[in-house]
Amino acid sequence: KAGVTQTPRYLIKTRGQQVTLSCSPISGHRSVSWYQQTPGQGLQFLFEYFSETQRNKGNFPGRFSGRQFSNSRSEMNVSTLELGDSALYLCASSLPDYNEQFFGPGTRLTVL
Amino acid sequence: AQSVTQLDSHVSVSEGTPVLLRCNYSSSYSPSLFWYVQHPNKGLQLLLKYTSAATLVKGINGFEAEFKKSETSFHLTKPSAHMSDAAEYFCVVSDTSGTYKYIFGTGTRLKVLA
Repeated sequence: KAGVTQTPRYLIKTRGQQVTLSCSPISGHRSVSWYQQTPGQGLQFLFEYFSETQRNKGNFPGRFSGRQFSNSRSEMNVSTLELGDSALYLCASSLPDYNEQFFGPGTRLTVL
Repeated sequence: AQSVTQLDSHVSVSEGTPVLLRCNYSSSYSPSLFWYVQHPNKGLQLLLKYTSAATLVKGINGFEAEFKKSETSFHLTKPSAHMSDAAEYFCVVSDTSGTYKYIFGTGTRLKVLA
């Protein structure tokens, strides 16, 4: 069974630009969560999507948004990039019981 | 509110000696607890999970953890460290009240000395 895949693996952007990251969950998983990992703040929950609906949201500004498609694939978008948005963005998928999340390899975003 | 505290940011052990990574949690509900490992430039891999079944949980690669409700702890142990265990380890509590999100500890970086 294929794992969670994230594309692209690496991105370099400049301040003010916007970026879209993609996540394909494990087949059959309908819940997708996104996390930001930075050296200073550690791993922080961004949001979770289930059946194309955002079910939970962390404490991030509105510049961070996401969506989920009918095939459970998810995208997250960051607009008006800031230097502090440089991070590893991790996506995780899970079955409906939510008790175990499977993580992708992450997308490393660098904002210059 | 739920939270998790990893008591050591760095742990160094010699190869072949026991590993102990400490985690305390706070939860208003019956928690689900997890340990994940992250090798450099990699995603997170599940080591083991506690979901209110047996309090002693065995995971992959020889790791195990014991859920102690009275001490609100979920420490990770391994009898004998291997060089390949060098990585960052995260203790996680899952909110079972309905939001289902993971709350991560700050991580413990394990160094294994030859």
